[in-house]
Amino acid sequence: EAEVAQSPRYKITEKSQAVAFWCDPISGHATLYWYRQILGQGPELLVQFQDESVVDDSQLPKDRFSAERLKGVDSTLKIQPAELGDSAMYLCASSYSSGTGLGEQFFGPGTRLTVL
Amino acid sequence: AQSVTQLGSHVSVSEGALVLLRCNYSSSVPPYLFWYVQYPNQGLQLLLKYTSAATLVKGINGFEAEFKKSETSFHLTKPSAHMSDAAEYFCAVSDLRIRVKASEYGNKLVFGAGTILRVKS
Repeated sequence: EAEVAQSPRYKITEKSQAVAFWCDPISGHATLYWYRQILGQGPELLVQFQDESVVDDSQLPKDRFSAERLKGVDSTLKIQPAELGDSAMYLCASSYSSGTGLGEQFFGPGTRLTVL
Repeated sequence: AQSVTQLGSHVSVSEGALVLLRCNYSSSVPPYLFWYVQYPNQGLQLLLKYTSAATLVKGINGFEAEFKKSETSFHLTKPSAHMSDAAEYFCAVSDLRIRVKASEYGNKLVFGAGTILRVKS
């Protein structure tokens, strides 16, 4: 069964360092999402891609976060510099886009980031 | 803007008892509604979704949810809890269809804070 792959699964870093997370969506899924899930809260959308283009990054802290999907397949989310408040689970999801907008989002296992 | 409120951050039931997880939403347009389950250190898995068809929606693992427009609710139920149901459950709403290109849309999900379900033996 096809799955969304993410790496690393766990990352510990010190504040002010740079970190990067990688996501490989399900083959054929044109839409890719990055979410941040702070402990005790629901996931919050950071950025959404359609193919290689960003269609929504309104909640992405652009002073320190960046995301790219250069070839419209896999994606990288970067934080530079990391802050203590960035400690969270970072989830990647992918879906088909469709005429009804109801393409189910399939989630990867996430990357748990701890900033010391 | 759309929002979701899940009543009760923790719910505890005995094995075999009814499971009821509450979700209320706020949306200016008819919403699409979802329930997801998350096991420890894993991603989210879709349980069921409401897409403006039948108001009673059946999902996987014996779960179902009923859309009640008058109450702006979408509560999740299961007649008999099993130990394997212990997990965190998230309700989500989507009423903003982002047009990604002509005639194709993605959907933006807004999640509630989650409810942790504990099942006692």
